[in-house]
Amino acid sequence: SQQGEEDPQALSIQEGENATMNCSYKTSINNLQWYRQNSGRGLVHLILIRSNEREKHSGRLRVTLDTSKKSSSLLITASRAADTASYFCATTRDDYKLSFGAGTTVTVRA
Amino acid sequence: KAGVTQTPRYLIKTRGQQVTLSCSPISGHRSVSWYQQTPGQGLQFLFEYFSETQRNKGNFPGRFSGRQFSNSRSEMNVSTLELGDSALYLCASSLFAGGDAGELFFGEGSRLTVL
Repeated sequence: SQQGEEDPQALSIQEGENATMNCSYKTSINNLQWYRQNSGRGLVHLILIRSNEREKHSGRLRVTLDTSKKSSSLLITASRAADTASYFCATTRDDYKLSFGAGTTVTVRA
Repeated sequence: KAGVTQTPRYLIKTRGQQVTLSCSPISGHRSVSWYQQTPGQGLQFLFEYFSETQRNKGNFPGRFSGRQFSNSRSEMNVSTLELGDSALYLCASSLFAGGDAGELFFGEGSRLTVL
């Protein structure tokens, strides 16, 4: 079963705009990660945020985590065509299984 | 250094057959985990191996099995294939196992089609 739910399911934006997607989960977690997948290929790790952290940055990426609301958000600033991909959140719980959400498909229009 | 290598990349089988998929992790990584990705169910955890021992298992029937060798390479096997087993099978490696795994490094996947 999937622990995380991403919202929205799909997102279409103009190049240069920001893209924001959210992930909600059901049970307490040890950490939360975001991954990117291009067109049915392997997943690429973007960022990991631990349960005691509230915000993390990596280049044009900003991730927040609100454990009280059991939610996380991923912001991609100044989007590029190369950012077109599916984005997944993944949570690690006490049972150490990594559980992925259904993903948000982002399309960046030139 | 070389990434995670999965073979074969594509394969077609018929119902009732069995299939073996292979995964070579990044050099030095001792943990290998497997995931099934389908449009309907998304990414589902199959199992995780660390130092040749299965550390964790997802909710899949016994037809799905795996193993890890002393060089950390892993194989997964699916017996008595069903149409619903058609999926992209992804392997990921990491230095550590379970909750300490941190970042996972994924291969490109093996796309299985069952006819």
